[in-house]
Amino acid sequence: DGGITQSPKYLFRKEGQNVTLSCEQNLNHDAMYWYRQDPGQGLRLIYYSQIVNDFQKGDIAEGYSVSREKKESFPLTVTSAQKNPTAFYLCASSAIPPGTQYFGPGTRLTVL
Amino acid sequence: DQQVKQNSPSLSVQEGRISILNCDYTNSMFDYFLWYKKYPAEGPTFLISISSIKDKNEDGRFTVFLNKSAKHLSLHIVPSQPGDSAVYFCAASSKLIFGTGTRLQVFP
Repeated sequence: DGGITQSPKYLFRKEGQNVTLSCEQNLNHDAMYWYRQDPGQGLRLIYYSQIVNDFQKGDIAEGYSVSREKKESFPLTVTSAQKNPTAFYLCASSAIPPGTQYFGPGTRLTVL
Repeated sequence: DQQVKQNSPSLSVQEGRISILNCDYTNSMFDYFLWYKKYPAEGPTFLISISSIKDKNEDGRFTVFLNKSAKHLSLHIVPSQPGDSAVYFCAASSKLIFGTGTRLQVFP
């Protein structure tokens, strides 16, 4: 069954801790993306990667880091430098951009 | 600076009637547009897309219209069903710049 998975669904962390959100896809997509959704706002692009070992900053990359060591995986680390980390995080993948993006179920991160 | 705008945060429509969701964009270089549907606490699901070489694309009850001169696109859902109640996002271009979404509620 092809798809894109994110884990965990809910994540709680103390302020000042780094946390890594997982994103895996078995769709053989080249491109992967991380978005953040806040109440009343659209999806804002954090980072994206169009090929293994390469990634680009999106509109709100500050306080985040990513890696793309494998085609299937694009983990996002929310660092302690991110001022407002509590949000709903969505991972997506697509074939060659601007192909249709397919989204994972999301991870809700709450920083206490 | 919002490059993709959905100026109506919410829309309420009676079952069976037409729902029209609007989206405006500012960058004339955008050449590919998509609509996504999203339920709470879930990832968006792709609904329909349109390339700038077309002005209309239809898929069942869903039709997207593109007016390039006005930099405007709209999603028509007809007939609307209660299961269509969700937040709808329009998105543009290769990095998929999203609008802020319109919450559609279809009531019986």
